[in-house]
Amino acid sequence: GESVGLHLPTLSVQEGDNSIINCAYSNSASDYFIWYKQESGKGPQFIIDIRSNMDKRQGQRVTVLLNKTVKHLSLQIAATQPGDSAVYFCAEIGGGADGLTFGKGTHLIIQP
Amino acid sequence: NAGVMQNPRHLVRRRGQEARLRCSPMKGHSHVYWYRQLPEEGLKFMVYLQKENIIDESGMPKERFSAEFPKEGPSILRIQQVVRGDSAAYFCASSPPVWDYNEQFFGPGTRLTVL
Repeated sequence: GESVGLHLPTLSVQEGDNSIINCAYSNSASDYFIWYKQESGKGPQFIIDIRSNMDKRQGQRVTVLLNKTVKHLSLQIAATQPGDSAVYFCAEIGGGADGLTFGKGTHLIIQP
Repeated sequence: NAGVMQNPRHLVRRRGQEARLRCSPMKGHSHVYWYRQLPEEGLKFMVYLQKENIIDESGMPKERFSAEFPKEGPSILRIQQVVRGDSAAYFCASSPPVWDYNEQFFGPGTRLTVL
């Protein structure tokens, strides 16, 4: 099976609200995690990353939380804007792998 | 500095034909990765190449698929005798010679449709 996966395929939020996108992974050897944003017809765009020796990392309007005990990763987007509408993927790497392992994605829909 | 370039952006092939997908990495990048994305799915790692070397092809189907990254020119992902199940978006990413995990930049992808 896949090493990473997402709990919800679609998340709908009101513009201005905060969004939380979740991700579960199963590979204990994973030591690096990335959130990507993919807009329709485009390639994945790096948002934020976190290493396994951290449990929280903040960027501009985004925060990633890592809970290694339950192998759970989340992406928080503050004050969502229409431009945040996209599919969000978590990805992990570790255990000697060369390529990223992606989850299936959550489609974030921003309602006016 | 141009980003990762892929061409063609859209490719239509009939069953049994060959598909050639090209990827030009970012300037200064010597590592290339190919991923495949099926509709409504995440990206799946296929192959990792450096100039003139295949480093990891653990995600590549054993038959009909091949990849190369010659000393000069773009990286090529070649699919022989395409079948409908090959229809997908194929993304290339590149990274510099000494890379941190986050320095893997993706191209816009090639969308392959097999009729």
